[in-house]
Amino acid sequence: GAVVSQHPSWVICKSGTSVKIECRSLDFQATTMFWYRQFPKKSLMLMATSNEGSKATYEQGVEKDKFLINHASLTLSTLTVTSAHPEDSSFYICSARDKVLGPRQFFGPGTRLTVL
Amino acid sequence: GIQVEQSPPDLILQEGANSTLRCNFSDSVNNLQWFHQNPWGQLINLFYIPSGTKQNGRLSATTVATERYSLLYISSSQTTDSGVYFCAVVTGGFKTIFGAGTRLFVKA
Repeated sequence: GAVVSQHPSWVICKSGTSVKIECRSLDFQATTMFWYRQFPKKSLMLMATSNEGSKATYEQGVEKDKFLINHASLTLSTLTVTSAHPEDSSFYICSARDKVLGPRQFFGPGTRLTVL
Repeated sequence: GIQVEQSPPDLILQEGANSTLRCNFSDSVNNLQWFHQNPWGQLINLFYIPSGTKQNGRLSATTVATERYSLLYISSSQTTDSGVYFCAVVTGGFKTIFGAGTRLFVKA
């Protein structure tokens, strides 16, 4: 149980285009979802926290107009990287928690974004 | 904000050896998790352990919350144990903060 999926698993796009990444909780209701970014050989950095039906809370230094987060339902959150540039290339990971399941977070498999 | 430090940063083991990974955190936390990130990037939950000791096969973990540290023990290491081990703590605001990780390589 408590499975989180991400789509796509990898994406290559041209500079200036926008890319949408989906994060789904498959067998539980994700009252809160988190988005992380990981650079090569580095740790995970929290980008934003989103609760279903409300605006995301972004961490300091994360541009909310660059990284649009929508948590429209209890099973789906999306991260849109707008006008992507090569420096946005990274590994993006989502996680989800359900207040019924407690504070533990369940992580998706990640999406590798490469911007040319 | 809370600081999470992991040691050692890198570790090379001969297959069959045992090891201990450490995670220190600078403030009280709601809970703590250990993860293994495989070569494809997937984070695998190992333990959810805000306090006490848990064991799962060759792995075990102990968290001493009052002294703000947690230990992950790997016994009889195997090549498939290679990867990065992360400790992550959850703050009072329910934010998860990751340590920098321990990169483990197990030689055959």
